[in-house]
Amino acid sequence: KQEVTQIPAALSVPEGENLVLNCSFTDSAIYNLQWFRQDPGKGLTSLLLIQSSQREQTSGRLNASLDKSSGRSTLYIAASQPGDSATYLCAVMSGDSWGKLQFGAGTQVVVTP
Amino acid sequence: GAGVSQSPSNKVTEKGKDVELRCDPISGHTALYWYRQSLGQGLEFLIYFQGNSAPDKSGLPSDRFSAERTGGSVSTLTIQRTQQEDSAVYLCASSLVIRDTQYFGPGTRLTVL
Repeated sequence: KQEVTQIPAALSVPEGENLVLNCSFTDSAIYNLQWFRQDPGKGLTSLLLIQSSQREQTSGRLNASLDKSSGRSTLYIAASQPGDSATYLCAVMSGDSWGKLQFGAGTQVVVTP
Repeated sequence: GAGVSQSPSNKVTEKGKDVELRCDPISGHTALYWYRQSLGQGLEFLIYFQGNSAPDKSGLPSDRFSAERTGGSVSTLTIQRTQQEDSAVYLCASSLVIRDTQYFGPGTRLTVL
């Protein structure tokens, strides 16, 4: 059974510092992995999707890496801003799943001015 | 373009009543997903649709929960005889094709008194 873990549960950094968010999963037979952000009381906003055949994916200040063999993905956010404060969730689609995303519990990020 | 929309945004009901939650996916998206998010359980998958068919209903918590999708577009999640443990935020997502990036709606917050 796939389990997705995000550590730490919470993180506080000063503005301008780079953010490093971790996601680990127990079954390496994944189809893809998706990173989301969630603002309080809101739905999820898709940030990046990495296919199982990819090693990384980039969008603006965001970079996500994937190491399938070790069951890890890392989301890097460069030069953090107060607007980056949110909860970040990773979600895994297993290789035998045709639609189901399995989510980690999230990392709550606060960027202080 | 318009994103995924859900209605109502908030629903308060009494234990034992039936409720219907509605999801309008992004136009042209063939796949639609339902999740729920609660404090104790995090984000959990309920069901997905490819077109109008639901190949995977494994996440529905009990037979009180059902969902349908008509015309390959709008979906309704119905909860019969609601219980207090059904209180949660119900999130809908859609993707262009199955296994693609999932885009989420703002959710329906259900409170069962």
